[in-house]
Amino acid sequence: DAKTTQPNSMESNEEEPVHLPCNHSTISGTDYIHWYRQLPSQGPEYVIHGLTSNVNNRMASLAIAEDRKSSTLILHRATLRDAAVYYCILRDNYGNAGNMLTFGGGTRLMVKP
Amino acid sequence: NAGVTQTPKFQVLKTGQSMTLQCAQDMNHEYMSWYRQDPGMGLRLIHYSVGAGITDQGEVPNGYNVSRSTTEDFPLRLLSAAPSQTSVYFCASSRAQGWNEQYFGPGTRLTVT
Repeated sequence: DAKTTQPNSMESNEEEPVHLPCNHSTISGTDYIHWYRQLPSQGPEYVIHGLTSNVNNRMASLAIAEDRKSSTLILHRATLRDAAVYYCILRDNYGNAGNMLTFGGGTRLMVKP
Repeated sequence: NAGVTQTPKFQVLKTGQSMTLQCAQDMNHEYMSWYRQDPGMGLRLIHYSVGAGITDQGEVPNGYNVSRSTTEDFPLRLLSAAPSQTSVYFCASSRAQGWNEQYFGPGTRLTVT
């Protein structure tokens, strides 16, 4: 799976929108873009995924660049509970025998009250 | 649904001891896997299973054994614990191989002295 690059940390104010960027310039045509987050002392939690089109769900929105070389996870209104490490992961759903998610360093999001 | 459960939450072992980390899911998921997370790092895949009776190695399988006799349970055995196996262990499940959303357990924090 191709590599992703994310900022080490970001800060946000409570109740404001947060845009978490991810660069993946070597993405292949069959790579899905996944986002997981990990709250302190907990297991990772699925947030959202997409292939080409922008996606929305109850947790967040995923904006994917037209060339697919970057994407942005959008939290519309950050709460203190959103403070976590956010991982952007590329995965080839069809060529990945182990269903493996390759976790990089992620972005540590801090939310200020 | 309880989701993915793991026991114990914490464990301390002496070098050379063996033990089994338990993982169970009640969602009738076919796919289950084990990851380890070392301090400040992302998760790495140890072993996985695509269904009862079928297991395979992930990225870092040495020193660990698995079996899958039922759909619900996927225990991870440490054969002879070493300090290098000090880590947090997460079990995950998903509906099937290639499925986008994976559910993670709360983790087992293992210390080997």
